[in-house]
Amino acid sequence: NAGVTQTPKFRILKIGQSMTLQCAQDMNHNYMYWYRQDPGMGLKLIYYSVGAGITDKGEVPNGYNVSRSTTEDFPLRLELAAPSQTSVYFCASKYGQINTEAFFGQGTRLTVV
Amino acid sequence: GQQLNQSPQSMFIQEGEDVSMNCTSSSIFNTWLWYKQDPGEGPVLLIALYKAGELTSNGRLTAQFGITRKDSFLNISASIPSDVGIYFCAAPNSGNTPLVFGKGTRLSVIA
Repeated sequence: NAGVTQTPKFRILKIGQSMTLQCAQDMNHNYMYWYRQDPGMGLKLIYYSVGAGITDKGEVPNGYNVSRSTTEDFPLRLELAAPSQTSVYFCASKYGQINTEAFFGQGTRLTVV
Repeated sequence: GQQLNQSPQSMFIQEGEDVSMNCTSSSIFNTWLWYKQDPGEGPVLLIALYKAGELTSNGRLTAQFGITRKDSFLNISASIPSDVGIYFCAAPNSGNTPLVFGKGTRLSVIA
């Protein structure tokens, strides 16, 4: 059972470069989320989606973009990487509304130099 | 936005000891969740609480949904080395909105 799969696991970017963090889930979940985790901090929500074609900003969306063209995939795009975006990024998904478990991927560790 | 305040921030305990940690908020929640994050991994759900006053166990873990709906507690009994990790409380903002997470309690177990 794959669950939530994130790629790549690690990446080093130079300032100003762009990249896409991939997230795919095979559980037919409607809800998908992108969080970032900075050292010693909890998870902060970047963007989320309640279904294909629908996305919404979270707490810290600046510098990121998302799309949700299919139920399975929810890529996160960084257009102009900045050192402040050095973090560990987690994608999560869940099936329905409240009272259901959110499943997390293993994370992508991004360093911007 | 709504904040979840977790304490303590970190703990160093001897193997076999019991552990208590808590999560508080100025807001009322209808659901409280406790996650554990192992090093290099994503968070995994430990316990979900859906009713004020509810006490739920999962092996050596016990969590309680505070009666005021503004807090929750997690206890770990007879700690073992694999309990090491970061424990997060989480709650949905409202309705179907995403989870808000506390900053976590980092647990270290000394054998």
